[in-house]
Amino acid sequence: GNSVTQMEGPVTLSEEAFLTINCTYTATGYPSLFWYVQYPGEGLQLLLKATKADDKGSNKGFEATYRKETTSFHLEKGSVQVSDSAVYFCALSGNDYKLSFGAGTTVTVRA
Amino acid sequence: DVKVTQSSRYLVKRTGEKVFLECVQDMDHENMFWYRQDPGLGLRLIYFSYDVKMKEKGDIPEGYSVSREKKERFSLILESASTNQTSMYLCASSISSQETQYFGPGTRLLVL
Repeated sequence: GNSVTQMEGPVTLSEEAFLTINCTYTATGYPSLFWYVQYPGEGLQLLLKATKADDKGSNKGFEATYRKETTSFHLEKGSVQVSDSAVYFCALSGNDYKLSFGAGTTVTVRA
Repeated sequence: DVKVTQSSRYLVKRTGEKVFLECVQDMDHENMFWYRQDPGLGLRLIYFSYDVKMKEKGDIPEGYSVSREKKERFSLILESASTNQTSMYLCASSISSQETQYFGPGTRLLVL
């Protein structure tokens, strides 16, 4: 079946540092890949997505590239802010309606 | 703007009570989902529905049931609440498979 493995946290960074959260997946067929973000006390919001190999999703300074050869979808941001403190989830959607989520990575950015 | 609402943000129930969690979406989406979120386990799918009156079991359906009488509303039912059902419950909807799921704010349920 489909599964997602993402880097365990927590991750603590200083403002303006570079952030990478690794995500790899196992899937049959051609899944869509997502990064969701959950700010404290809120539900999940879509951060970015990619629907086919070599697509790059980007939003709010975050980027991730769909790499079929390495089955990866790593999230990156060049300069984080305190407001980026949140839990980040990598997810995969096949053609079975379901989203498979990673365990989530808690990121804390210090001023 | 996309909107998924859940009936309660916080809920406290006693063991053995029947619990209803309601979710409403205003986007005319075909698919709706119920997840629970627990620390270190991410989100796990309980049930989903791809059409009115249709339902499919997710990964952890035991102890839960669902109802979808109208397209915009998807209810999660805990027939007899137990302490191991204390969790954050998240509802989501999507227009089709492989498309973005839009989430509600969540209901934090405590079963005493």
